[in-house]
Amino acid sequence: KNQVEQSPQSLIILEGKNCTLQCNYTVSPFSNLRWYKQDTGRGPVSLTIMTFSENTKSNGRYTATLDADTKQSSLHITASQLSDSASYICVVSEEDPLVEYGNKLVFGAGTILRVKS
Amino acid sequence: GAGVSQSPSNKVTEKGKDVELRCDPISGHTALYWYRQRLGQGLEFLIYFQGNSAPDKSGLPSDRFSAERTGESVSTLTIQRTQQEDSAVYLCASSLFLGGAVETQYFGPGTRLLVL
Repeated sequence: KNQVEQSPQSLIILEGKNCTLQCNYTVSPFSNLRWYKQDTGRGPVSLTIMTFSENTKSNGRYTATLDADTKQSSLHITASQLSDSASYICVVSEEDPLVEYGNKLVFGAGTILRVKS
Repeated sequence: GAGVSQSPSNKVTEKGKDVELRCDPISGHTALYWYRQRLGQGLEFLIYFQGNSAPDKSGLPSDRFSAERTGESVSTLTIQRTQQEDSAVYLCASSLFLGGAVETQYFGPGTRLLVL
């Protein structure tokens, strides 16, 4: 069964500190992996997207890594800010050559991050 | 317990037809979201329900799209006069809402819509 597991489930850190969120998946065949940030009542904001051949990608203070061999990804947040408090969702796209109009998406449960002053 | 369910899982329709997509959230979840993802693109927020009200409809792409929720439970997303660009995976998610807190969203399996 294709799954995406994220850890930790929730995390509290002090403003200015760094943190790393983990995403392990068993999705196969793999197409791409995305990290989203989402605030309550708002739409998700895409942070990074990585394909099989990419092992790191940065977006400001966010850096995502991907190890396609071990099927692990991480999202590192540097110098956290109060506005980083949100849910971070890892989404893995399963390649489905039989479907022309949309790959199957497998969602992680998300990590809830709270940044405190 | 049961997770978020969506139906149908796949839908093929002709251009110009109306389609209705259904989402059954997790029991007790007051917040409900609709998204879509077109091939090769990211998640696109469509609409958010808190109870039966939709405080944020800003993501609906056109007036052909509408959604409703009843009984703080089932939600339907209706697309009228479908166009080929409506082809996408439509996802529903639900969460508890504790007033300002960030809550884990639970996603359904999605409905794949293909407009010919």
